[in-house]
Amino acid sequence: SYEPTQPPSVSVSPGQTASITCSGEKLGDKFVCWYQQKPGQSPVLVIYQNNKRPSGIPERFSGSNSGNTATLTISGTQAMDEADYYCQSWDNKLFGGGTKLTVL
Amino acid sequence: EVQLVESGGGLAQPGGSLRLSCAASGFTFSDYWMGWVRQAPGKGLQWVANINKDGSEKYDVDSVRGRFTISRDNAKTSLYLEMSTLRAEDTAVYFCARESMAGSGIDYWGQGALVTVSS
Repeated sequence: SYEPTQPPSVSVSPGQTASITCSGEKLGDKFVCWYQQKPGQSPVLVIYQNNKRPSGIPERFSGSNSGNTATLTISGTQAMDEADYYCQSWDNKLFGGGTKLTVL
Repeated sequence: EVQLVESGGGLAQPGGSLRLSCAASGFTFSDYWMGWVRQAPGKGLQWVANINKDGSEKYDVDSVRGRFTISRDNAKTSLYLEMSTLRAEDTAVYFCARESMAGSGIDYWGQGALVTVSS
């Protein structure tokens, strides 16, 4: 099994939409979850089962998964969303390499 | 309030051993799969191992197989990771993790325990 592939970095302007992709063979057939990690902190689950938000996660976070690509979308991105984001394919538990989201 | 508190991290020599513990509270421990995730300094997350509710099923990543053993004590609401034949590349922060009851995702993480393997 190979870990999913993420872009190392994504930049977005405040208030705009950020999209972070996670690619892998037939990833759309599997559940994908997403985590946010800020410097010096433990990760936080922001999306599970492809598109579900845990309680307390803002509605601007959404997810989708189809074909070979899962996508985390942050609408109306805020400065507080600047962080590293990791996808995880739940069937084999492998994490993507992570994407650093910069809000500038 | 759910709490996961790791202990047992520290400095170990290459080829040495170390045992991590995770004390869980604030939820019914025996109702959840549990696991360990690690993060090398400045690197990404790596899933290490997980264990089912009663400890009868265990899974781990190839790079630790045969060297690391995950276990749990439901009476003590504790999770363990026994690490042996340690290598420099095992140096990382090790997070204790609770898997979501929905069956997809880690919904609670500990604060992490640093393991440094160096001579």
